[in-house]
Amino acid sequence: SSVLTQAPSVSVAPGETATITCGGKNIERKSVHWYQQKAGQAPMLVIYHDSDRPSGIPERFSGSNSGNTATLTISRVEAGDEADYYCQVWGGTSEHYVFGTGTKVTVL
Amino acid sequence: QITLKESGPSLVKPTQTLTLTCTFSGFSLTTNGVAVAWIRQPPGKALEWLALIYWDDDKRYSPSLKSRLTIIKDTSKNQVVLTMTDMDPVDTATYYCAHENVEMPTIGAFDIWGRGTRVNVSS
Repeated sequence: SSVLTQAPSVSVAPGETATITCGGKNIERKSVHWYQQKAGQAPMLVIYHDSDRPSGIPERFSGSNSGNTATLTISRVEAGDEADYYCQVWGGTSEHYVFGTGTKVTVL
Repeated sequence: QITLKESGPSLVKPTQTLTLTCTFSGFSLTTNGVAVAWIRQPPGKALEWLALIYWDDDKRYSPSLKSRLTIIKDTSKNQVVLTMTDMDPVDTATYYCAHENVEMPTIGAFDIWGRGTRVNVSS
C-alpha cells in the first residue's frame, strides 16, 4: 500500500504562506485529499481531488499534485489555521485508503 | 444535514473484543454511492483508516488489520458497527466514523466526520 510522507512541522508568521507537502510514489496518479484537524477536534476536509474546496472553505486554501508530491498551500495565514494537516489518497474501488503522517502548522 | 456519532466502551481489557457503533442521520446507507468508514487516531499520532462499508454491502478493510475487523450495517437503525478482536494496549485511540459518497465529486474523501470516541485498552 502507499506510504505518504509529510514534514512533521511547519512554522509560519501571520499573513505569510504555509506550504505543506505530501510525498508518495507517483502520487500524481491518485486523487489527493487534505484534512485540517484542530486540537481536540475531528478532522475536517479542506481540499478534495487535489485542488477542489468544499463549500465553506476559504479560497486561501489551495492544492496541487504533480510527480511524487502533492501540496497544500495556505495563503495569508491566520491564527485560526493552526492545526494538524493530513493528506489522504484512495486508489480506487479495489484499493484502500491511506493517510499521510501529518504536519503540524504553527502560527508564530 | 449529515451527522455521525460514535459510541462504545471507553475501556476494554487486553484480548477482549471491541464493538463500536456509528449512528448517523441526514443520509441513508441504502442510497447508491454512500459509504461509511472507520478511522482511528492513537494519542499524538496520525490517522489510520480501518474499514469501510458501501451501500451495496461491499466492504473494505485495512490490510494490516483485516484479520481482526468486521464491519456491518443496520439500515433500519441507520447504524454501522465495527468489531475489533484481540484488543491490545497499542489499539488505544480515538475512533472516528466518517461519510463518503462515491457518486459525488468528493469520491475517495471523507467529507463528514463524527466527533470520535476514545477507547483505552488496559488491564
